[in-house]
Amino acid sequence: IQLTQSASPLSASVGDRVTITCRASQDIMNYLAWYQQRPGEAPKLLIYAASTLQSGVPSRFSGSGSGTEFTLTIASLQPEDYGTYYCQRLNASPFPFGPGTKVDFK
Amino acid sequence: QVTLRESGPALVKPTQTLTLTCTVSGFSLTTNGMCVSWVRQAPGKALEWLARIDWDGSREYVKSLKTRITISRDTPRHQVVFGMTNLDPLDTGTYYCARTILLSTVYALDVWGQGATVIVSS
Repeated sequence: IQLTQSASPLSASVGDRVTITCRASQDIMNYLAWYQQRPGEAPKLLIYAASTLQSGVPSRFSGSGSGTEFTLTIASLQPEDYGTYYCQRLNASPFPFGPGTKVDFK
Repeated sequence: QVTLRESGPALVKPTQTLTLTCTVSGFSLTTNGMCVSWVRQAPGKALEWLARIDWDGSREYVKSLKTRITISRDTPRHQVVFGMTNLDPLDTGTYYCARTILLSTVYALDVWGQGATVIVSS
């Protein structure tokens, strides 16, 4: 099962609503997670089970979708949100990541 | 507080074997639902999931590297060990260990180490 993501880079301004899409080649139900990786840092879990916000993650982040199409939305982009976002399939091993979508300054 | 810390050589020669250790704290490797994954990232590239060891000792590997990699644990020392044989310069990158938690039926890599940079060069 392959994962594809929105075209990278995605250019946006502070305050913009940003939507990143992840598509699976087969139905993976809700077995999808989203991660944020800032330059030089380890990835950080944002969303798991497609729509559950990880503890401590700001509420401007949300996830939706099931089956083969999933969306990560940032309601109002903040300066600290710039970086690369990855989806990951977690329904059966292995657990591949998508190719990543870099969000940069417009 | 849950933490993971990777350690191992920064420079390895081609054809040699790499051994990386992940030392964990704040959780037990044998608690039901607790797993540890290894993930790597080549410079400027995407994340690549490599392997996982579960609370019951079962192991999973990425198919493309299955003949070259191993994952094991030393429970009393709170360590997970990752090994890769026959290294190539293409194996250069940052190697992360991450706690992988099973929440009901769903996994998530919820806490990550800071990463260990490995350069494969003669």
